[in-house]
Amino acid sequence: AQSVTQLDSQVPVFEEAPVELRCNYSSSVSVYLFWYVQYPNQGLQLLLKYLSGSTLVKGINGFEAEFNKSQTSFHLRKPSVHISDTAEYFCAVSSNNAGNMLTFGGGTRLMVKP
Amino acid sequence: SQTIHQWPATLVQPVGSPLSLECTVEGTSNPNLYWYRQAAGRGLQLLFYSVGIGQISSEVPQNLSASRPQDRQFILSSKKLLLSDSGFYLCAWSVPSLDSYGPNSPLHFGNGTRLTVT
Repeated sequence: AQSVTQLDSQVPVFEEAPVELRCNYSSSVSVYLFWYVQYPNQGLQLLLKYLSGSTLVKGINGFEAEFNKSQTSFHLRKPSVHISDTAEYFCAVSSNNAGNMLTFGGGTRLMVKP
Repeated sequence: SQTIHQWPATLVQPVGSPLSLECTVEGTSNPNLYWYRQAAGRGLQLLFYSVGIGQISSEVPQNLSASRPQDRQFILSSKKLLLSDSGFYLCAWSVPSLDSYGPNSPLHFGNGTRLTVT
């Protein structure tokens, strides 16, 4: 079975500061990794995805994530956050072994303060 | 371009009443369709998915059911709501994988329905 752990349920940060949202997964086979963002009372939007190739993935809104196979991690980073980045962020994993079904982490609430 | 519509946006229902949430997708054919639930302060739980008309797979046993009467229509139902059914319900679609069901391609979500059972 595959699983996703987002270690921080909430991350407060000041505007223009860097941020890292942590994500670790468990799976015995090759995985595909995703980060989604959810603004209040809305559905989820895809930020970025790793399917294969370069382990550093760039997404929308200045976010990037790095796939680290040895540490089974896919942490999300942004060098300078804005107030508008305040949202819930979800890491997700899928694999051929699990029928390609997505498993989501519990989410991390990013709170950007002025 | 593809769009996904989900309604209603909010719903307040008494315990024991029926439920029907509808989701439609436009601009694509034979999508994979999904219903997720997000309880307050928690992550997403996959409830149902469908790879074609009339084909429904349930991930979690509960008093909810799903149907897919048309290619791009996905309905979530209940005959009698429980308090524990309260939550944020999200419909999503994805392009079918070549080898099996499920999204190696990303999920595209609707804006959700916030259901409060009183």
